[in-house]
Amino acid sequence: DAGVIQSPRHEVTEMGQEVTLRCKPISGHNSLFWYRQTMMRGLELLIYFNNNVPIDDSGMPEDRFSAKMPNASFSTLKIQPSEPRDSAVYFCASSLNRASTDTQYFGPGTRLTVL
Amino acid sequence: AQSVTQPDIHITVSEGASLELRCNYSYGATPYLFWYVQSPGQGLQLLLKYFSGDTLVQGIKGFEAEFKRSQSSFNLRKPSVHWSDAAEYFCAVGLSGGYQKVTFGTGTKLQVIP
Repeated sequence: DAGVIQSPRHEVTEMGQEVTLRCKPISGHNSLFWYRQTMMRGLELLIYFNNNVPIDDSGMPEDRFSAKMPNASFSTLKIQPSEPRDSAVYFCASSLNRASTDTQYFGPGTRLTVL
Repeated sequence: AQSVTQPDIHITVSEGASLELRCNYSYGATPYLFWYVQSPGQGLQLLLKYFSGDTLVQGIKGFEAEFKRSQSSFNLRKPSVHWSDAAEYFCAVGLSGGYQKVTFGTGTKLQVIP
């Protein structure tokens, strides 16, 4: 299994530009998570999907952030417009089901730098 | 809401020495507890997890953790550390009975010296 795939691995953009991060979960997994990791705030859950439906987006910082999951094998996290404080590593993770006991499998992350 | 505290930001141990990483949680009911490891430039990987039953849990890479309800702790241990164990370690707590929202600690960075 290829594991969770994220692209791009690195993204450098200028303030005000639109940024789109992509994630392909492990085949057969029904739950998908987007996390943000920074030195100051650690690892934060942004949004969680189950069966392609957003279940909890309370962690999304503001309206500049949006996430979609059009099908079971693809999700995007979009930031528009981007700001320097959005610089972070963004992780996507997937799990087999929605149970609290299910292991989350993380992708390698996308390191975003907003200048 | 649940929370988890990792009091040690950074720990240095000699190769071959034993290791214990501390984790304390706050949650009213029985928590679901996890330890993840993150190697540089990589995503997080599950080491072990506890839901119920035996309070001593064995994980991958020779790690174990013990759930102590009286101390609200779930400390990670390894009897003999290898240089390849240098990484950042995250304790996490999940809700029981609900959907899978997991709260992560701030992490402990482990340095292994020869």
